[in-house]
Amino acid sequence: GAGVSQTPSNKVTEKGKYVELRCDPISGHTALYWYRQSLGQGPEFLIYFQGTGAADDSGLPNDRFFAVRPEGSVSTLKIQRTERGDSAMYLCASSLQGRLNDEQFFGPGTRLTVL
Amino acid sequence: AQSVSQHNHHVILSEAASLELGCNYSYGGTVNLFWYVQYPGQHLQLLLKYFSGDPLVKGIKGFEAEFIKSKFSFNLRKPSVQWSDTAEYFCAVNAHSGGYQKVTFGTGTKLQVIP
Repeated sequence: GAGVSQTPSNKVTEKGKYVELRCDPISGHTALYWYRQSLGQGPEFLIYFQGTGAADDSGLPNDRFFAVRPEGSVSTLKIQRTERGDSAMYLCASSLQGRLNDEQFFGPGTRLTVL
Repeated sequence: AQSVSQHNHHVILSEAASLELGCNYSYGGTVNLFWYVQYPGQHLQLLLKYFSGDPLVKGIKGFEAEFIKSKFSFNLRKPSVQWSDTAEYFCAVNAHSGGYQKVTFGTGTKLQVIP
């Protein structure tokens, strides 16, 4: 079956621009996570969705970052007024119900480069 | 706040050598522990996890990890590595009490196995 997909795979933008990164989770998975991975670091938690609602957005670095999941499946991570420090790999993961013991399945990521 | 330390950033081994990758976490309460692996060109995937019970956990591809609570450690081991084990390995901990996974990842260890 299809795994988690993310589009685009690469995004190059200029400082100050707005970008949207998309995540398609595994069908039927209610839990969805966004992570950011900088070079030489492990993934860093950004936000967790349970269904349509953001259950925990404590990892979003500032108010330029926002994420939605309006129908409880596809999610979009939105970054306003991008800065060079936003350059990183953005990973999405989904799990069946978000329970402690549910495995998270990761997508291939979107590599964002802000010039 | 929870944190994870992986002391080996880059490990080079010959095939058939034994592997042990160190992982230490800082949190005094109940934890769930994970090892993830990312093979070249592939997605991050779960290798094994510890939630409770037997502190010696067996995962896929012959890997195992031992949870030693007194040492706050969860080291990954494999008795005999293969060239196909070349990958980056991430230790992760969930020390969150909210009933869902909110993992903190270590910085990763790149393993290179020489044929």
